[in-house]
This record gives sequence, structure tokens and C-alpha cells, in this order.
Amino acid sequence: NAGVTQTPKFRVLKTGQSMTLLCAQDMNHEYMYWYRQDPGMGLRLIHYSVGEGTTAKGEVPDGYNVSRLKKQNFLLGLESAAPSQTSVYFCASSTGTSGANGDTQYFGPGTRLTVL
Amino acid sequence: GEDVEQSLFLSVREGDSSVINCTYTDSSSTYLYWYKQEPGAGLQLLTYIFSNMDMKQDQRLTVLLNKKDKHLSLRIADTQTGDSAIYFCAESPWGYQKVTFGIGTKLQVIP
Repeated sequence: NAGVTQTPKFRVLKTGQSMTLLCAQDMNHEYMYWYRQDPGMGLRLIHYSVGEGTTAKGEVPDGYNVSRLKKQNFLLGLESAAPSQTSVYFCASSTGTSGANGDTQYFGPGTRLTVL
Repeated sequence: GEDVEQSLFLSVREGDSSVINCTYTDSSSTYLYWYKQEPGAGLQLLTYIFSNMDMKQDQRLTVLLNKKDKHLSLRIADTQTGDSAIYFCAESPWGYQKVTFGIGTKLQVIP
């Protein structure tokens, strides 16, 4: 099992450009999440999905869109990148059930995005 | 809303014990987690505790929970240089999968 993978690992954009970050998981998890991590701010939830075809806003959704057309994939889009979106982006997935381990989230390795 | 607070930085000498502290505000927290993030990597679950427990031990790790004070701590015995990382405290209520993360405590282990 690869777990959670993210593509690309690094990207540099110019202000106004668009891009899509891809997250894939092979654990058959229902829930998927996109976070951004900034120095001194910890992890902030951008959007999440509780199942194929569903998405919901997190704490900082502005400037981002997401889609979950397939259960295993969760895409994060930036339509018009801004320097404030320079960050490290993490995708995570979980079963979505409060089982023995709570709802442990499994994280991808991250995408480092710089917007000039 | 929910809030999870941690100190930003902790420095210890190799072989000593490390204690990372966390406080949370949500009284409905059911699960409390500790995640570890190594440089350049994503977060990885280290351990977790149910809110009806006071303590959980797992090899070198001891988690203590004071539910009355909403205080959680992670003790790492015999700290090694490989333990240098950022440690995130997190909480989630039962039946709702939104996990709230703290800001992360950077642990530096001095050889």
C-alpha cells in the first residue's frame, strides 16, 4: 500500500496562474482533507470530503476549490494563485468512523507551493 | 470554537526525558492524539488516548490526561536525536470527524 500520495512535491507559480494538486489514497477511506501548514499557524483545514461526490468548506476555504469525483482522489485547485497561498499543502484521509483508534488521519508527504 | 494550544519549542539533552504539554478547550473531546512530523514529511500518528483514560503508556511514550483541567501531556523517556521533530496535539469529539490540531511543538534534542 502506498498510503496517501500527493502530486506534485514542489511547484512555483506566478501570481494569477492556476494549478491543481492531486491527492490519492489506496486505503478505501471515506474521508479526505486538504490542509495548509504555515510557520507559526500550525495546520489549517481548507476543504474536506466525507465521501465520493461530496465536499465541504473548512477553516480557510477562500481562493481554493476541490473535487472528489472518485473515492480515492481528492483534488485541490487554485484558480488564480496569490502570494498569500505560498504554503505547504497536506492531504490526509481517514475512515470517517470513530473506531478503536478514533479517527486517525493518514497524511501525505506534502506539496511545497511558492507563489511569486 | 475548539482550540488546542501548545508551546512552540522544547530543547532537551539526549537521554533526558521530554515533556510536551497541550491544553484544549472543547469539553466534548473524546479522542486526543499526538502526531509527529519529521522534517519534510507529513504528520504521522504517534499515539492517542480516550477521554475516559488518565494515562496511556506505549514503550518510551507516556500520555497523561487531566480531563478536569483539559490538559494533555506527552512524555518521551530516554529522548534520542531521532525524536527531533514537531509534535502536534489534536482532539476530536465522538461521532464527528473534524480533528482540531494544535500549532505544533518543535522538539530539539541536543547530543
